Amino acid sequence: DTGVSQDPRHKITKRGQNVTFRCDPISEHNRLYWYRQTLGQGPEFLTYFQNEAQLEKSRLLSDRFSAERPKGSFSTLEIQRTEQGDSAMYLCAVRRLAASYEQYFGPGTRLTVT
Amino acid sequence: QQQVKQSPQSLIVQKGGIPIINCAYENTAFDYFPWYQQFPGKGPALLIAIRPDVSEKKEGRFTISFNKSAKQFSLHIMDSQPGDSATYFCAASRPINNYGGATNKLIFGTGTLLAVQP
Repeated sequence: DTGVSQDPRHKITKRGQNVTFRCDPISEHNRLYWYRQTLGQGPEFLTYFQNEAQLEKSRLLSDRFSAERPKGSFSTLEIQRTEQGDSAMYLCAVRRLAASYEQYFGPGTRLTVT
Repeated sequence: QQQVKQSPQSLIVQKGGIPIINCAYENTAFDYFPWYQQFPGKGPALLIAIRPDVSEKKEGRFTISFNKSAKQFSLHIMDSQPGDSATYFCAASRPINNYGGATNKLIFGTGTLLAVQP
């Protein structure tokens, strides 16, 4: 158990619809990451929060993507006007200790855009 | 530009064999090198990690060998079992800088699909 839950686990949506994913660390972790993983590839960094501040966004995060972490605990990732190319596994990871490099991943949300 | 190159893409070994997965990195600023194990439909699970101040680290049946001058590191799985069949990813990140809010994002390799035959 990595102490990170994600909801939903699977989402099927039609092109053009908006979707929102949620990441819930079990306990407080001030550093939270979102990654995207397409089939047969390693995860790619999307964005990073330190507490509620979003400190870095990847070029992969187009204008249609937005992430929030309103109270420095759970985080949401929203994709507007989904495209087929958005189909992927969206992974949330947390760094438990400020001085530790280790990142622990949640189970991910599998998005399929039809 | 891929910063972490992983090989082989796939690997088949017999039970008890020692699969070896290799990674090479380009950015000399990297100073943390983890390996993750991922089963189908699951998130990556941290397996073992190394910092560049040591050349080898063992945890159970898993060993990382690190060659700083060659900018390479590898994962060895001793006495491999069918339950080790999974995809393995190497990764790298830059130093932690809590004051500057450094991201420490992980840069992943492309993965190795390991099959351990009974």
